Amino acid sequence: NAGVTQTPKFQVLKTGQSMTLQCAQDMNHEYMSWYRQDPGMGLRLIHYSVGAGITDQGEVPNGYNVSRSTTEDFPLRLLSAAPSQTSVYFCASSLGTGSSYEQYFGPGTRLTVT
Amino acid sequence: AQKVTQAQTEISVVEKEDVTLDCVYETRDTTYYLFWYKQPPSGELVFLIRRNSFDEQNEISGRYSWNFQKSTSSFNFTITASQVVDSAVYFCALSGGTGGFKTIFGAGTRLFVKA
Repeated sequence: NAGVTQTPKFQVLKTGQSMTLQCAQDMNHEYMSWYRQDPGMGLRLIHYSVGAGITDQGEVPNGYNVSRSTTEDFPLRLLSAAPSQTSVYFCASSLGTGSSYEQYFGPGTRLTVT
Repeated sequence: AQKVTQAQTEISVVEKEDVTLDCVYETRDTTYYLFWYKQPPSGELVFLIRRNSFDEQNEISGRYSWNFQKSTSSFNFTITASQVVDSAVYFCALSGGTGGFKTIFGAGTRLFVKA
């Protein structure tokens, strides 16, 4: 199993550009989520999904869109990048849709917006 | 609202010292789950332990141990005889109850273990 994979590893965008961060898992996990990690702030939940076709907002959803057309994939779209979106982005998945399950994280995408 | 506080931003110890990382949480729910994750310098996040709110039994895994006390809303993590490989950022997290599927992370504690 590859686990949770994310592409790209690094990305530089100009303000106003759009892009999609890819996330895939091969563990047949129902729950997937996106976090951003900023210095001194831990991980903050952007969006999450409890199954194909079902998504919901986390703590910091503004400026981001998600969709979940398959169990495996959960892409995160930045519609119009802003310098405030400079961060490290982690995708995660977990076995069940209950909150009791631990999450498995991808390697992260480091995004810089200039 | 749920909240996790890791008051220690950075801790520096010398190898073989014992070190405790503090985690204090806030929730009004009776059913919830607590987690610890490790983020080594390579950047990936690794799950260490999960605890549910009905299980206050302390846990030991090798040099790692966890002390869960509902009376003080704390879930502290102790590393005994620390090693250089323990150098990492450690995150405490809370989920469940009114938070539903959302997991709330603390800001993390960066641990430096010097040889």
